[in-house]
Amino acid sequence: GDSVTQMEGPVTLSEEAFLTINCTYTATGYPSLFWYVQYPGEGLQLLLKATKADDKGSNKGFEATYRKETTSFHLEKGSVQVSDSAVYFCALSDQNQGGKLIFGQGTELSVKP
Amino acid sequence: GAGVSQSPSNKVTEKGKDVELRCDPISGHTALYWYRQSLGQGLEFLIYFQGNSAPDKSGLPSDRFSAERTGGSVSTLTIQRTQQEDSAVYLCASRKAGARLEKLFFGSGTQLSVL
Repeated sequence: GDSVTQMEGPVTLSEEAFLTINCTYTATGYPSLFWYVQYPGEGLQLLLKATKADDKGSNKGFEATYRKETTSFHLEKGSVQVSDSAVYFCALSDQNQGGKLIFGQGTELSVKP
Repeated sequence: GAGVSQSPSNKVTEKGKDVELRCDPISGHTALYWYRQSLGQGLEFLIYFQGNSAPDKSGLPSDRFSAERTGGSVSTLTIQRTQQEDSAVYLCASRKAGARLEKLFFGSGTQLSVL
């Protein structure tokens, strides 16, 4: 079945460092791809999305590009802040899945001042 | 309510006991999902309700797990004869009928600890 694989955490960075969190997927159809973020003590929130190949999703300085050739959707940010400390989840949806989101295992990011 | 509400926020139980977890979706949201978040496993899909259709139970890990949705609104996830490996955060989410999946709203979860 469809699946999502993320790089393992935790990831610890200093403020203003460059961030990459790798995400690859396996899907039989043409999924939409998402990044969700879970801040400490809060619920999951959509961070960004891309619905077709070569689309770039972006929000709050984060970006991810839907790469069909490498089945990847890596999350990047040029300069992280302490407030970006959270758990990040990559996810996909596919009509064949009946409207479900399939999530990766999550990557914890800790940004130090 | 303003968002998806789950109760209790924390539940500690003894191995072998049954537990019930409650989810109140956003008013008017016909689709409701249960996920489980555990260390190293990420977010696992459990079950999905959509209106009056038969629920998608494909993610339930064993027959000890069941869920119902009464009146198309509140949902209860029941775990019978709990085991230590059931310890996790159980998340509920809801969305409007026909809304895209990015319009999925999550609750804050129930932290279940099985001793």
